[in-house]
Amino acid sequence: GIQVEQSPPDLILQEGANSTLRCNFSDSVNNLQWFHQNPWGQLINLFYIPSGTKQNGRLSATTVATERYSLLYISSSQTTDSGVYFCAALRSNDYKLSFGAGTTVTVRA
Amino acid sequence: EAGVAQSPRYKIIEKRQSVAFWCNPISGHATLYWYQQILGQGPKLLIQFQNNGVVDDSQLPKDRFSAERLKGVDSTLKIQPAKLEDSAVYLCASSFSRNTEAFFGQGTRLTVV
Repeated sequence: GIQVEQSPPDLILQEGANSTLRCNFSDSVNNLQWFHQNPWGQLINLFYIPSGTKQNGRLSATTVATERYSLLYISSSQTTDSGVYFCAALRSNDYKLSFGAGTTVTVRA
Repeated sequence: EAGVAQSPRYKIIEKRQSVAFWCNPISGHATLYWYQQILGQGPKLLIQFQNNGVVDDSQLPKDRFSAERLKGVDSTLKIQPAKLEDSAVYLCASSFSRNTEAFFGQGTRLTVV
């Protein structure tokens, strides 16, 4: 499958701060997803974004497929944004959805 | 629309015992995935089905793990015999097709003692 690298591995924020999470992938992709894993372990879909930019409230994402990376922006962070954020990429020639190791975000009040 | 359903939510077994997990995907979804997530790591794909056929099981430890998807809907994942290192969360996901957005269930947390 495709290699997916996320950075930084850990991020500590003060409430109200902005942040950027990065996801690099090693090959061309047909599908790029961002997830938030809640404290109970469920993966919550944030964005399905093979290319371009999308926004959902305080979160937005950009994928530049030609340069093999995606960014997740968190603005005006809240304590409820804490958790692990994963990106997952699907390479077109084998259709395997491969995950990065995640970024653990801690937002302090 | 109902999401991906998994059961049980939690399971504790002794090593060398067997265990089975069940997954019901979103209605109409042809692609079904099983992932293993060890604490502190990202999910790792174990097996992927397209309808009731296996399209990838390259990372499934076939000496102890098996999975089936009868009639192209529900799926079961079995471990026999379990080892301590199998302690993990087992996640099931589904998508309408191989190239569309995937949705995950709540997972089954397995502890092998």
